Amino acid sequence: QVQLQESGPGLVKPSQTLSLTCTVSGGSISSGSYYWSWIRQPAGKGLEWIGRIYSSGSTNYNPSLKSRVTISVDTSKNQFSLKLSSVTAADTAVYYCARTTYCSGGSCYPYNWGQGTLVTVSS
Amino acid sequence: QSALTQPASVSGSPGQSITISCTGTSSDVGGYNYVSWYQQHPGKAPKLMIYEVSNRPSGVPDRFSGSKSGNTASLTISGLQAEDEADYYCGSYTSSSTLVFGGGTKLTVL
Repeated sequence: QVQLQESGPGLVKPSQTLSLTCTVSGGSISSGSYYWSWIRQPAGKGLEWIGRIYSSGSTNYNPSLKSRVTISVDTSKNQFSLKLSSVTAADTAVYYCARTTYCSGGSCYPYNWGQGTLVTVSS
Repeated sequence: QSALTQPASVSGSPGQSITISCTGTSSDVGGYNYVSWYQQHPGKAPKLMIYEVSNRPSGVPDRFSGSKSGNTASLTISGLQAEDEADYYCGSYTSSSTLVFGGGTKLTVL
């Protein structure tokens, strides 16, 4: 069974870049037809989709975050990463990484999730 | 992209049925049969319960069912159980090849 684990700084200063890594175990990130996604959730609020990357490197981003987001994949380390630049307090949230499945017509569904990691933006 | 619209809360007694609605637009819910539903217990990661409007992943009880009419999708839980108390989120593929979620609905089992 594939497992995902987020890692990265829990505290980021305003205007800096948030960087998180998701390590995948129990399966190769480059095998199968999966998208690898980032999703976040501010405390007490709903889910927000950040973006996704295919093992080939192709990406899709949330239009509201697109100018600040980069998602990349490192197949040699079986990891994928999130970078969010120019952060503000509004970016404080639990960040989840997820593997999508049941793909059809470009739509895929987050199925295997990491436990989530809290990132706080504060000086 | 704008979040899909869900009621903030719903409630029901054990054994009853409840329905949660999820309203979008023709660019998301209404345009594709790619609606999904997620269950989230406090402090836990979300769990996929329904995909492609009405399909259940392996292991999800058949008490959970989904449907769609026009720009509105629905999740119905029949035979409500205490363990069903959680937050529920809908999601939809969009015309921009992105995923948009609803604001979430808190289900209380009375």
